[in-house]
Amino acid sequence: EPEVTQTPSHQVTQMGQEVILRCVPISNHLYFYWYRQILGQKVEFLVSFYNNEISEKSEIFDDQFSVERPDGSNFTLKIRSTKLEDSAMYFCASSEGPGREQYFGPGTRLTVT
Amino acid sequence: GQNIDQPTEMTATEGAIVQINCTYQTSGFNGLFWYQQHAGEAPTFLSYNVLDGLEEKGRFSSFLSRSKGYSYLLLKELQMKDSASYLCAVRETHASGGSYIPTFGRGTSLIVHP
Repeated sequence: EPEVTQTPSHQVTQMGQEVILRCVPISNHLYFYWYRQILGQKVEFLVSFYNNEISEKSEIFDDQFSVERPDGSNFTLKIRSTKLEDSAMYFCASSEGPGREQYFGPGTRLTVT
Repeated sequence: GQNIDQPTEMTATEGAIVQINCTYQTSGFNGLFWYQQHAGEAPTFLSYNVLDGLEEKGRFSSFLSRSKGYSYLLLKELQMKDSASYLCAVRETHASGGSYIPTFGRGTSLIVHP
């Protein structure tokens, strides 16, 4: 069964450093998403991406965040200058269409020290 | 904006039936999802309701009443592996147009014991 994959599974970085989280969505899906979940809290939407551009973003997705689809398979989330409060699990998801169910990857646990 | 309420925690016995409720307030309802999330893992899709009524899928069923802003997830023949967090997520239509992004509730932690 096709699945969303994410790398790395765990990333530790120092405050102020840049990190890139990588995702490979399901191959026939056209809509891609990033969510985050701070430990013990609810899943929060960051951004959605379709046709090589951002279609929606939340208030959390400020100028320090960016997304890119550098090739036909990868979808990346870049955090330019990490802060302690960026420590969370980051989930990538993809869907066939805008209203269809989203399939989540296993997540990348980001720890900012 | 949205306000989504779910019980924080529930316990049930293996083999039993449990109902997890979700209430929401939204100005433009556009669909409700239920996800299962085991500790440390990603959410997995369980069900989707956009019209009133019951959707059944194996041991899991989900019900929606749009007029009451209410949904429930029903789990039958509970198994130990059903111990997980169950997330209610609501999609809302914005004044500027459609939105396909669900807003998640805090989740209900279900503990199934022998």
